[in-house]
Amino acid sequence: GEDVEQSLFLSVREGDSSVINCTYTDSSSTYLYWYKQEPGAGLQLLTYIFSNMDMKQDQRLTVLLNKKDKHLSLRIADTQTGDSAIYFCAESRSYQLIWGAGTKLIIKP
Amino acid sequence: NAGVMQNPRHLVRRRGQEARLRCSPMKGHSHVYWYRQLPEEGLKFMVYLQKENIIDESGMPKERFSAEFPKEGPSILRIQQVVRGDSAAYFCASSPGGERQPEYFGPGTRLTVT
Repeated sequence: GEDVEQSLFLSVREGDSSVINCTYTDSSSTYLYWYKQEPGAGLQLLTYIFSNMDMKQDQRLTVLLNKKDKHLSLRIADTQTGDSAIYFCAESRSYQLIWGAGTKLIIKP
Repeated sequence: NAGVMQNPRHLVRRRGQEARLRCSPMKGHSHVYWYRQLPEEGLKFMVYLQKENIIDESGMPKERFSAEFPKEGPSILRIQQVVRGDSAAYFCASSPGGERQPEYFGPGTRLTVT
């Protein structure tokens, strides 16, 4: 199976909160990242968290890290249509980033 | 401050031809990473380079693929004798250095092999 796992799809109503979940395998990962990819576009670094932190907040984004369960989540408050994209979780492992397959966020009006 | 630049953005090659993908890192960044993204999948690491050195090429196919990052100029990912399975988006990322730096990505080169 994948080293980093994410659900493939998440559907939320505009204005609600979105919570995208990710599990990873390497407990020695120092950084964990969330990237956003819009259709046909490159990857935009949204936020990252150092492994000794439990939570990081940046405007509408909240990252929660449960190191014991190797579980990472990204919460987007007040989800807007512009948040429609694929969200990738990635863990750092030596020189590499190990990526999940991405969660496609679908916004319902 | 320009971000990571990649060109071309789209590249079409016939089977058997060579593909050359270029990446200019962000100003001040001396570390370059190449990743490949197949349709509907996440990214897979290919190679990590510093100026004039290949640090980790464990994700590179053993044949037909090569990468360089010369002292002057952009990093080049070269694919010789392309096959249909090489069709993918190839992303370059750069960082100032060290494994603890977040990586900033270019817009990608979408390679189509016909």
